[in-house]
Amino acid sequence: ETGVTQSPTHLIKTRGQQVTLRCSSQSGHNTVSWYQQALGQGPQFIFQYYREEENGRGNFPPRFSGLQFPNYSSELNVNALELDDSALYLCASSRTQLPFLSGELFFGEGSRLTVL
Amino acid sequence: SQQGEEDPQALSIQEGENATMNCSYKTSINNLQWYRQNSGRGLVHLILIRSNEREKHSGRLRVTLDTSKKSSSLLITASRAADTASYFCATGSGTYKYIFGTGTRLKVLA
Repeated sequence: ETGVTQSPTHLIKTRGQQVTLRCSSQSGHNTVSWYQQALGQGPQFIFQYYREEENGRGNFPPRFSGLQFPNYSSELNVNALELDDSALYLCASSRTQLPFLSGELFFGEGSRLTVL
Repeated sequence: SQQGEEDPQALSIQEGENATMNCSYKTSINNLQWYRQNSGRGLVHLILIRSNEREKHSGRLRVTLDTSKKSSSLLITASRAADTASYFCATGSGTYKYIFGTGTRLKVLA
C-alpha cells in the first residue's frame, strides 16, 4: 500500500478520443511523475510535476499533457488517442523534486487504457 | 528508449532456490533502484543503491553495483512462490526521471 491512488483502473476509448487519468499522491509528497508501460515493456517516463509546474518531460508528443493541483493531486490528459497509446499508465509520487538523486518513487496501481 | 536491460528476460526456479537477475545500463548514474511488479499492477520499491556503494542488503535481497561495468545484480535468496513477479531496475541520472529496464519475469514454482 503506497498511498497513491489512481482512477479509473480500466477504460476503453476509440481512436481520436480524449482521455483524462487521475492520481492522488501520498500525503506530504509534492512531486508527481507519470509513466507509460506498454505490454511486456518497462515504464517510460512521460513527465514530472513539482509544485504545479512541469519540470521534466520524456519523449512524448504535446498531445500528452498534465496538471498538478495545489493539493498535489494530478491529471494526465491524452488527446487524439492512437492505437499505440494502449498501455498501463502509472502515476508515482515522491517527497523530493529530484527523486532521481535520492528518493524512491511510490507508484499507484495504474490505469489500463485500451484504444480501439 | 530503455536504458537498463535486464537479463534474463524470464527465469523459472523452484521454491527455496536463489534467483539472480542482472541489469546493464548505458550512462553514468547517481543511483540504481530495483522495483517489483505483480502481474501488471503498480511497482513497489525494493532497494536503492547509490553510485558510491558496491553492495547492499535488505532482508532476502542483495544488490551489487559495478559502475565500471555499468551493471547491477539482484539476488533473492530462499525464494518463495510469493516472489513471482516482474523485476525492474531503474537508473537515476542527471535528468528529472528514472529510466527503467525491460524487466525480468520471475516464476517461483512451489
